[in-house]
Amino acid sequence: AQSVTQPDIHITVSEGASLELRCNYSYGATPYLFWYVQSPGQGLQLLLKYFSGDTLVQGIKGFEAEFKRSQSSFNLRKPSVHWSDAAEYFCAVGAAQAGTALIFGKGTTLSVSS
Amino acid sequence: DVKVTQSSRYLVKRTGEKVFLECVQDMDHENMFWYRQDPGLGLRLIYFSYDVKMKEKGDIPEGYSVSREKKERFSLILESASTNQTSMYLCASSPPDSFYGYTFGSGTRLTVV
Repeated sequence: AQSVTQPDIHITVSEGASLELRCNYSYGATPYLFWYVQSPGQGLQLLLKYFSGDTLVQGIKGFEAEFKRSQSSFNLRKPSVHWSDAAEYFCAVGAAQAGTALIFGKGTTLSVSS
Repeated sequence: DVKVTQSSRYLVKRTGEKVFLECVQDMDHENMFWYRQDPGLGLRLIYFSYDVKMKEKGDIPEGYSVSREKKERFSLILESASTNQTSMYLCASSPPDSFYGYTFGSGTRLTVV
């Protein structure tokens, strides 16, 4: 079955500390992989995406993610977290096939402490 | 700036009412989607459409229907609203290849009383 797992429901990080949000997927075909961010009361914004090529991808707001095929993982990282990064983060997987929809994980809420 | 616009930010409806949630995109995207978002459950796909007048059921279509008469507009219909349909509803659109990712609207928070 196709699925996305975000093992951490809630993470608290000190401002200035590094961040890693985990994402594992199960997908039959070669997947497209995405990370989205949702600020309180807002829709989702695309942070970055991966399909092929360099397994380390750079996104907006200083985020990056690394694809590891052997671990079926696509973890999101940021070297130094800012208070404005507090939000909910969603990992998603999709197929290079028309007529299909992205599957989203249940999300990880990030809190930033001062 | 490209946009997906959801007609209402907040909506309160009574049990049994027929409810229409409207979504309009200005990007000439072929694909449009309706998700509902609930705490701890993430985003769950209700319906999507890959062309005008075409629709596909998602994971939780029960109690909902959709309409896509024009490319830019995708409506979600709650035939007879129930309290368990109280939720945040998110509309999104994309080109045919999902690699480009989805553009989301700001959401409609629906409360059924």
